[in-house]
Amino acid sequence: QKEVEQNSGPLSVPEGAIASLNCTYSDRGSQSFFWYRQYSGKSPELIMFIYSNGDKEDGRFTAQLNKASQYVSLLIRDSQPSDSATYLCAVGPQAGTALIFGKGTTLSVSS
Amino acid sequence: DADVTQTPRNRITKTGKRIMLECSQTKGHDRMYWYRQDPGLGLRLIYYSFDVKDINKGEISDGYSVSRQAQAKFSLSLESAIPNQTALYFCATSAPEGQETQYFGPGTRLLVL
Repeated sequence: QKEVEQNSGPLSVPEGAIASLNCTYSDRGSQSFFWYRQYSGKSPELIMFIYSNGDKEDGRFTAQLNKASQYVSLLIRDSQPSDSATYLCAVGPQAGTALIFGKGTTLSVSS
Repeated sequence: DADVTQTPRNRITKTGKRIMLECSQTKGHDRMYWYRQDPGLGLRLIYYSFDVKDINKGEISDGYSVSRQAQAKFSLSLESAIPNQTALYFCATSAPEGQETQYFGPGTRLLVL
């Protein structure tokens, strides 16, 4: 069974620090990788996606993908209290199937 | 207006009742999905549809059925609701293959008594 694993947390960081969120996946043929943010009681919203090995930066967010290690991460620089949320990793298997979501990591940023 | 809408937003029902949750989208996407979310269990896929004539079971389809009435509409039915179907339900859409980013509706909070 294809799986996406995340540490449930909570991950606690002080304001201004770098938060590092990690995700591993089991299907070596996976082709697309996504990070979503979800505030309590709200719907998931896309932060960024990555398709190729390496880093992809968008503002304070950097996604890192290592397909050989089946590992994807999200770095949040200069963390703010408003970043406190649950972060969901999602992986796109081979063509023709739906995304597989991890259970999420809860991030708490203290001021 | 929101691109993906869900109705109702909140629903309380009794065990054994049949209920329908509706999802509509204006994004023009072919692909639509239904998920439920429970604390500690993450998002679990119930059903998904890649076009009007395509319906696929997800991880937890038992006790649920769906109808894809049009490209823009995808409904989820609970034939005979039970208390462990109490959850937050999300509809999502995505463009065809190669653009798998999913966009979520605001969710429906369902309580089965």
